[in-house]
Amino acid sequence: SQQGEEDPQALSIQEGENATMNCSYKTSINNLQWYRQNSGRGLVHLILIRSNEREKHSGRLRVTLDTSKNSSSLLITASRAADTASDFCATDAYSGAGSYQLTFGKGTKLSVIP
Amino acid sequence: DGGITQSPKYLFRKEGQNVTLSCEQNLNHDAMYWYRQDPGQGLRLIYYSQIVNDFQKGDIAEGYSVSREKKESFPLTVTSAQKNPTAFYLCASSIVSGVNEKLFFGSGTQLSVL
Repeated sequence: SQQGEEDPQALSIQEGENATMNCSYKTSINNLQWYRQNSGRGLVHLILIRSNEREKHSGRLRVTLDTSKNSSSLLITASRAADTASDFCATDAYSGAGSYQLTFGKGTKLSVIP
Repeated sequence: DGGITQSPKYLFRKEGQNVTLSCEQNLNHDAMYWYRQDPGQGLRLIYYSQIVNDFQKGDIAEGYSVSREKKESFPLTVTSAQKNPTAFYLCASSIVSGVNEKLFFGSGTQLSVL
């Protein structure tokens, strides 16, 4: 299965700074999604970028996708303490029998210091 | 208030015991999923269901079983054949099982072995 790998594994920044995390994957995808998980909770969808898109914005989030390099980056601007969480990339690809599967990476643990 | 409800939040299993994790959704979604998360790891797909009375194995189905008798419900049974069941289990749903679908997650069940 193709798995996204996030980099760095952990990131610590001051409140107000920008945070950038990267995701690399192995083979072609239909789309790439980013999810956030607060400690001990479920995941919440942040943003989705399709394979034919290069950049997408949602509020303080900016995601880019470079299919020639099998990589994506997530930029969080003007970080807040509430952004402290683990962010995961997930790649969506056809898995056969008419179904699509999301495959998740191990996540980047972001700590925003007030 | 629509969403996905997982219960219980914490569950303990004795040796040789089967336990069942509950997942209920009132989002009217066709597709439902079970993921396993180990500490510091990404999510791994156990089983998924695209429609009532149908389900498919994911990447790590051994030692688990599911049923989908109602659209709203997708319970997961962790059988005694699963030798390392301690993990955080997440249930998710999507409108359909298809490309560009985002997942909605429950708040998870932490399963531990006594």
